[in-house]
Amino acid sequence: ELKVEQNPLFLSMQEGKNYTIYCNYSTTSDRLYWYRQDPGKSLESLFVLLSNGAVKQEGRLMASLDTKARLSTLHITAAVHDLSATYFCAVEGRGSWGKLQFGAGTQVVVTP
Amino acid sequence: NAGVTQTPKFQVLKTGQSMTLQCAQDMNHNSMYWYRQDPGMGLRLIYYSASEGTTDKGEVPNGYNVSRSTTEDFPLRLLSAAPSQTSVYFCASSEVVGRYNEQFFGPGTRLTVL
Repeated sequence: ELKVEQNPLFLSMQEGKNYTIYCNYSTTSDRLYWYRQDPGKSLESLFVLLSNGAVKQEGRLMASLDTKARLSTLHITAAVHDLSATYFCAVEGRGSWGKLQFGAGTQVVVTP
Repeated sequence: NAGVTQTPKFQVLKTGQSMTLQCAQDMNHNSMYWYRQDPGMGLRLIYYSASEGTTDKGEVPNGYNVSRSTTEDFPLRLLSAAPSQTSVYFCASSEVVGRYNEQFFGPGTRLTVL
């Protein structure tokens, strides 16, 4: 059974500093996704990571994937208030085309 | 394109009542999904449909039913509502983009069962 663990579950960030969110998963996976959710809103796709060593960057966010360690990281550089949201990783297990297993989410609050 | 739409946005039910959450997409996607989101648990898959006429159970299907009679619509039925079904429900549809399935989520339905 595929299990996905995110940590931390809550992250209080100071503006201008760097932080990392971790996503561990328990079985072999072909694809890993990162989503952002603002309070009371739907999910917005951030990144799709498809292979070992994949790295994607968009603005202050950078995601990477290590399939051997079954670990993905979402790195936030020089945090700003607009990045306050909940971030989810989701894993598509091998042979489970389209069926995502989500982590519990990391609630990020960025303060001055 | 409206994308994925869901109705209603909010709903309050009494225990034992039944209702249908509506989901529609206008992107001609083959696959559609229903998730529920509970505090501290992320999203969990209830049912999914790989194409019109097919459905399959996800992680938490008990107490729900679905059908997929058209490509556009994927309604979720609560058979006899229970307080444990209080949650936010998201519908999604997906298209194949190269080697992955990109899912697009609707705005959600907030359901409270008293």
